[in-house]
Amino acid sequence: NAGVTQTPKFQVLKTGQSMTLQCAQDMNHEYMSWYRQDPGMGLRLIHYSVGAGITDQGEVPNGYNVSRSTTEDFPLRLLSAAPSQTSVYFCASSYSRDAHTDTQYFGPGTRLTVL
Amino acid sequence: GENVEQHPSTLSVQEGDSAVIKCTYSDSASNYFPWYKQELGKRPQLIIDIRSNVGEKKDQRIAVTLNKTAKHFSLHITETQPEDSAVYFCAASMRGSNYKLTFGKGTLLTVNP
Repeated sequence: NAGVTQTPKFQVLKTGQSMTLQCAQDMNHEYMSWYRQDPGMGLRLIHYSVGAGITDQGEVPNGYNVSRSTTEDFPLRLLSAAPSQTSVYFCASSYSRDAHTDTQYFGPGTRLTVL
Repeated sequence: GENVEQHPSTLSVQEGDSAVIKCTYSDSASNYFPWYKQELGKRPQLIIDIRSNVGEKKDQRIAVTLNKTAKHFSLHITETQPEDSAVYFCAASMRGSNYKLTFGKGTLLTVNP
C-alpha cells in the first residue's frame, strides 16, 4: 500500500512551458485535492474532485487544469507556466466508504520552480 | 468562504514545557477541525482532529479544544520534546467536505533541549 504518490519530486520549467504533475492513490479514496504551499501562506486549495469525472475549483485555480478519469489518478496540468507558480504542490486524498474514515492523506509533494 | 487565522506564527519553548497554538475560523458552518504537523521537507501529517459535537479531544501529550460559540480552537502539546519541533497547521471544513480544507498559515514550533 503506497498511499498517495506524486511525480516528479522536483521540476524546473521556463516561463510559458506546460507540464503535468502526476498524483495517484491506492487507498480507494473518493476524494482527491491539489494544494500549493508557499512560504508564510499555509496550504491553499487549487482544485478538488469528489469522484471520477467530477472536479471543481478551489481557492486559487487560475492557470491550472485537472481531470479525474479514474478513482486512482488526479493529474494537475499547468497550461503556461509563470514564475508566480513557483511553489511546492501537494496532492491529497481522503474518504473511503469501506474504511468509514475521512482523514486526508498527503503525498510527498512536488517542488516546482518556474524561471 | 472560510477564513482561518492562526497564532502565533513562531513559538519557542524549552523541552518539557507546554505549547499552545490558537486558531479562529469565520464560517459557522465549519464543523471539522484537523491539525497537521509538517517537518522540514516532508508532507503534512494529521496529528489530531476534532468535530463540532465535542469540546475537547486528547491523544497522549496532544489535546485539542474547540469553542464553537467563539469560533476558535486550540492545540495543546504538553511535555514538549525536541522531536515536536515542526510547523503546525490548523484547518477547517464542513464535515464530509474535508476535500476542501482551509488552512491557517502555520506555526513554527521550536523545542530547545
